Amino acid sequence: SSELTQDPAVSVALGQTVRITCQGDSLRSYYASWYQQKPGQAPVLVIYGKNNRPSGIPDRFSGSSSGNTASLTITGAQAEDEADYYCNSRDSSGNHRYVFGTGTKVTVL
Amino acid sequence: QLQLQESGPGLVKPSETLSLTCTVSGGSISSSSYYWGWIRQPPGKGLEWIGSIYYSGSTYYNPSLKSRVTISVDTSKNQFSLKLSSVTAADTAVYYCARLRTVGHAFDIWGQGTMVTVSS
Repeated sequence: SSELTQDPAVSVALGQTVRITCQGDSLRSYYASWYQQKPGQAPVLVIYGKNNRPSGIPDRFSGSSSGNTASLTITGAQAEDEADYYCNSRDSSGNHRYVFGTGTKVTVL
Repeated sequence: QLQLQESGPGLVKPSETLSLTCTVSGGSISSSSYYWGWIRQPPGKGLEWIGSIYYSGSTYYNPSLKSRVTISVDTSKNQFSLKLSSVTAADTAVYYCARLRTVGHAFDIWGQGTMVTVSS
């Protein structure tokens, strides 16, 4: 089965840019989606597809992909962006299965 | 706007069956544009996809849980359900239901989650 690997933690200064990466074989076939999760809350979709933001998600969030790596970039990080971030994609092994990344804790300094 | 709400017991005994229901409001579960899924998160850990269902009843399960999981749909009640049998302490988690877009393959709307503890 596929796995999606993320760095456990990253930090960013307020107003600066941070990139979170997600690696896995399934990303060669499918785009990643990205979720923000704050303590005690359900995950929120922030990016899906090639680089699509659901309604209400600030445009400082963007996504990209190359080979087996997907990236989520926060340009001009705000204090409220401090959260856990998870990537997710359909499993390339077939049968409509899905896999989540290991998660990245983003700290805004 | 569409909302999802999980319901079910918060405490289940080891070896018994965990049963949860997700009620969809503000929209139809019978839309051809979406699947419906269950995801769980053990305390302090990451997200794990459990399985998904289409309104027609087609199901897809995580291979690691497949032998114990059953997901079903009741379109007349606009609900879908999860059953996980032979539970152990390792199944203690927050269980979320979510809507899965067929285009984009993303879980775009989530329920608030419900904590299920497996303990005698």
